Amino acid sequence: NAGVTQTPKFRVLKTGQSMTLLCAQDMNHEYMYWYRQDPGMGLRLIHYSVGEGTTAKGEVPDGYNVSRLKKQNFLLGLESAAPSQTSVYFCASSPGTSGRAFGTDTQYFGPGTRLTVL
Amino acid sequence: TQLLEQSPQFLSIQEGENLTVYCNSSSVFSSLQWYRQEPGEGPVLLVTVVTGGEVKKLKRLTFQFGDARKDSSLHITAAQPGDTGLYLCAGGGGSEKLVFGKGTKLTVNP
Repeated sequence: NAGVTQTPKFRVLKTGQSMTLLCAQDMNHEYMYWYRQDPGMGLRLIHYSVGEGTTAKGEVPDGYNVSRLKKQNFLLGLESAAPSQTSVYFCASSPGTSGRAFGTDTQYFGPGTRLTVL
Repeated sequence: TQLLEQSPQFLSIQEGENLTVYCNSSSVFSSLQWYRQEPGEGPVLLVTVVTGGEVKKLKRLTFQFGDARKDSSLHITAAQPGDTGLYLCAGGGGSEKLVFGKGTKLTVNP
């Protein structure tokens, strides 16, 4: 099993450009998450999904959109990138066996995407 | 807003020393998780504690959940260079989001 994979690993954008980050998991997990990690700020939740076809806002959703058309994939879109979106983005998934999105399940993280917006 | 404060923010020690990292909040959490993150990688779960006063051991690592479920500690005995990394605590279990602390960056020098 590959676990959680993210593409691309690195990306440089100009202000105003758009892009999509792809997250894929092969563990048949119900829940998926997108976080951003910034120095001194820790991990902050952007959006999450508790099942195929569902999405919900996290702590810092502005400027991002997500879609979960297939259970194994969770896409994060930036429609008009801004320098403030320069960050490392992590995708994670969890089984959902606790019955709640933020229960005692283990979250399995991908290797991250380092995004720079100039 | 639930917050988790981790201390210290940075810790640099010599191989063989002991250390303790703290994770504190004014809020009650149903569960508390500890993750370790190595440079260029995503966090990896070390342990989950769910009961107030619970103590779990993972080789040289000892995790404790406070009696009131508002705080937790991670103690490492005889630290090794392989313990180097960013240690994150995360609280959850309710309808709120999983809350992550900002992390403790540990460096163990040979």
